[in-house]
Amino acid sequence: QITLRESGPTLVKPTQALTLTCTFSGFSLSTSGVGVGWIRQPPGKALEWLAVIYWDDDKGYSPSLKSRLTITKDTSKNQVVLTMTNMDPVDTATYYCARTTMTLFDYWGQGTLVTVSS
Amino acid sequence: QSVLTQPPSASGTPGQRVTISCSGSSSNIGSNVVNWYQQLPGTAPKLLIYSNNQRPSGVPDRFSGSKSGTSASLVISGLQSEDEADYYCAPWDDSLNGWVFGGGTKLTVL
Repeated sequence: QITLRESGPTLVKPTQALTLTCTFSGFSLSTSGVGVGWIRQPPGKALEWLAVIYWDDDKGYSPSLKSRLTITKDTSKNQVVLTMTNMDPVDTATYYCARTTMTLFDYWGQGTLVTVSS
Repeated sequence: QSVLTQPPSASGTPGQRVTISCSGSSSNIGSNVVNWYQQLPGTAPKLLIYSNNQRPSGVPDRFSGSKSGTSASLVISGLQSEDEADYYCAPWDDSLNGWVFGGGTKLTVL
């Protein structure tokens, strides 16, 4: 059974950095073709892809947020970490991690709501 | 503002057939497969259709997808009340070198 779970702070202050951890089970991030991505959704708005990391440590970032994002993996711990710097109230959203194989996201975590406010 | 255009809303009565469109460009839908995600109220998105027209195990066959040129469509036949959800199309975009999501379509079952 494949599961993913996001964890991290629920509240961050403007200008602070956000660090989110995705802990997964049921698959290995050392398997060829497998990756883990991050997608966010502001309240009442659409989904937005943020970043992805693959089994071979290749990484991809949304062009509009690339300068603020860093994604890393710890294969031994089955974890993927996303760091977003210089948080702003517009970054308030539910953040999801999801497994990717080839071109799709087939398993998603339940999401974690992050509020940016002073 | 998404690079993919979906109608913000759609509706139908139980048993009806509903079509949700997704319009893109040559860098996304025109050159890559399209996936569709269903997001029930208060829950995480779920993969509904992949590779334009394939259903994951467990997805009813009343959900179908198609693609033509730079547009894609999701068809729900025999609409049911539990289909009330938000639907998103999502192909890879070669220009952005990443995934793009449509603005989402809120389906209401009347």
